[in-house]
Amino acid sequence: DARVTQTPRHKVTEMGQEVTMRCQPILGHNTVFWYRQTMMQGLELLAYFRNRAPLDDSGMPKDRFSAEMPDATLATLKIQPSEPRDSAVYFCASGPDYNSPLHFGNGTRLTVT
Amino acid sequence: GNSVTQMEGPVTLSEEAFLTINCTYTATGYPSLFWYVQYPGEGLQLLLKATKADDKGSNKGFEATYRKETTSFHLEKGSVQVSDSAVYFCALTENTGGFKTIFGAGTRLFVKA
Repeated sequence: DARVTQTPRHKVTEMGQEVTMRCQPILGHNTVFWYRQTMMQGLELLAYFRNRAPLDDSGMPKDRFSAEMPDATLATLKIQPSEPRDSAVYFCASGPDYNSPLHFGNGTRLTVT
Repeated sequence: GNSVTQMEGPVTLSEEAFLTINCTYTATGYPSLFWYVQYPGEGLQLLLKATKADDKGSNKGFEATYRKETTSFHLEKGSVQVSDSAVYFCALTENTGGFKTIFGAGTRLFVKA
């Protein structure tokens, strides 16, 4: 079974440090999404790409977050500098087309102290 | 903008009880509708989908019907099991040139033996 792979699964870091999260989407999927999940806010869409081009990153705090797809097999989400309020689970998901469901990775649990 | 509203949880039921989780949406155009399920420590996974009005999605005893006239996609199951305990998310995807998937806040279900 093809899967979306996210690394690392867990990350603990201190405030002010840079954090990089990685995602390998399913081969052949042309759309990649980054979501953040917290108890208070639920699932928030941070950014998404189609054919590696960023379509919408309006959900992301631009001053500290950046998302890229350097190639079709890798998507990255960076936070610099990190803050305690960034503590959450970050999910990557990929999808092949409009009517098809998204496939989620198991997430990166980020804790910023 | 597009949005999804689902009933707040948690919902607590006894085994073999009937389940309904309400979901309504606001969207321009003709979205596809989905229910996803999330088990502890995992990403979301597709439960069922419907891509046009009056379609019924079904899987594992769960059903939901795409009701355009009431903009609803309520999830139902006739007899829940302890193993159905999870968080359920209603979602829509609109074809807007890219396609953005928007999720409801999630409803946590506890099923007691």
